[in-house]
Amino acid sequence: DAGITQSPRHKVTETGTPVTLRCHQTENHRYMYWYRQDPGHGLRLIHYSYGVKDTDKGEVSDGYSVSRSKTEDFLLTLESATSSQTSVYFCAAWTGTWGFFGQGTRLTVV
Amino acid sequence: GQQVMQIPQYQHVQEGEDFTTYCNSSTTLSNIQWYKQRPGGHPVFLIQLVKSGEVKKQKRLTFQFGEAKKNSSLHITATQTTDVGTYFCSYNNNDMRFGAGTRLTVKP
Repeated sequence: DAGITQSPRHKVTETGTPVTLRCHQTENHRYMYWYRQDPGHGLRLIHYSYGVKDTDKGEVSDGYSVSRSKTEDFLLTLESATSSQTSVYFCAAWTGTWGFFGQGTRLTVV
Repeated sequence: GQQVMQIPQYQHVQEGEDFTTYCNSSTTLSNIQWYKQRPGGHPVFLIQLVKSGEVKKQKRLTFQFGEAKKNSSLHITATQTTDVGTYFCSYNNNDMRFGAGTRLTVKP
């Protein structure tokens, strides 16, 4: 959907290295989210943000941190990547009446 | 914490048959949303329901929110191959949470 850009779209990294995924929105929405999607698990919430510097944990937050220094950018960091963090990561935003997602980032940890 | 259960996990239908997926919660939901994700794609918003007993239609899709606001359903009439994908329900108490999804396949 228009309005959210995720970068990179694909990344391969080594175990133990830090990784940062970026989510950029152009529409000034307050609420933003990071999910991971794995077969059989649907979309699991990692962290979300309800404003600049305001973030909270989701259901699978261990091993992840986030930052939101500007309304338009929501960063997800894997401090020390592990193979269990191999997944597809989606960023989303909520307008107040509907949600929209980025195209996703496929991350492989080897 | 609050969560929603979706059933069935998978559904395979012949083109032209109807399809229904259900979303159930043990607690009252303030709202519910439905999304569709095509294979290899990202979730796309379909609709939001907020009122008890609410029914909304989008062409061949009918969405319902239960009277007790603990369950919801998505019904597709006369499925087409373009309906293939995974359908998710979600609820949003600021932390937008999703059910596990129902994966629909359609045989031409």
